[in-house]
Amino acid sequence: EVKLVESGGGLVQPGGSLRLSCVASGFTFSSYSMTWVRQAPGKGLEWVSFISYETNTIYYGDSVKGRFTISRDNAQNSLYLQMNSLRVEDTAVYFCVREASWGRWNSWGQGTLVTVSS
Amino acid sequence: QSALTQPASVSGSPGQSITISCTGTSSDVGGYKYVSWYQEYPGKAPKLLIYEVTNRPSGVSNRFSGSKSGNTASLTISGLQAEDEADYYCSSYTSRNTWVFGGGTKLTVL
Repeated sequence: EVKLVESGGGLVQPGGSLRLSCVASGFTFSSYSMTWVRQAPGKGLEWVSFISYETNTIYYGDSVKGRFTISRDNAQNSLYLQMNSLRVEDTAVYFCVREASWGRWNSWGQGTLVTVSS
Repeated sequence: QSALTQPASVSGSPGQSITISCTGTSSDVGGYKYVSWYQEYPGKAPKLLIYEVTNRPSGVSNRFSGSKSGNTASLTISGLQAEDEADYYCSSYTSRNTWVFGGGTKLTVL
């Protein structure tokens, strides 16, 4: 069974940093590209970042470019999102998502809540 | 990147068919086959319903179907059931190597 478990969310002040982790199991993690998607409370989905399975292709959404860094450790079956210079508008549930093929996001974690507030 | 345009809400009676539209531009929906649809229940993770415009993952009911014409993609749900009441989102790859979602559509089964 494919399982994605996010952690690292919490309350942080504006301007602060947080590192999200996602541990994968039930599949060969190193063979799949991964994506982060977020959802602000009561709002719609927003694509955040993509990393290819061999780490040589990385993309970011405009709202996080220059502040967030996606990475992965295939030996640890883990995906990360380093979030710096956090803003109130970054408050959201962050989902770790497996990509079966280009844009085919077929497995989602349950999400971790990030709250940016003073 | 502006979100794709979806109706905020749609409704239908059990057994009926409904269609949710997703309008973008030639730089996203109109320019690529990488349009997907997701179903989301409150407090749950989204579920993939349709990928590459028309393809259905295994396990997804054939009551769900996707199509595209120009810059507008559509999700059709036939034989509406009470359990279909949820939020629906479209997504598309874009020419800027990013992905964009629609604003979401709340489906009410009357």
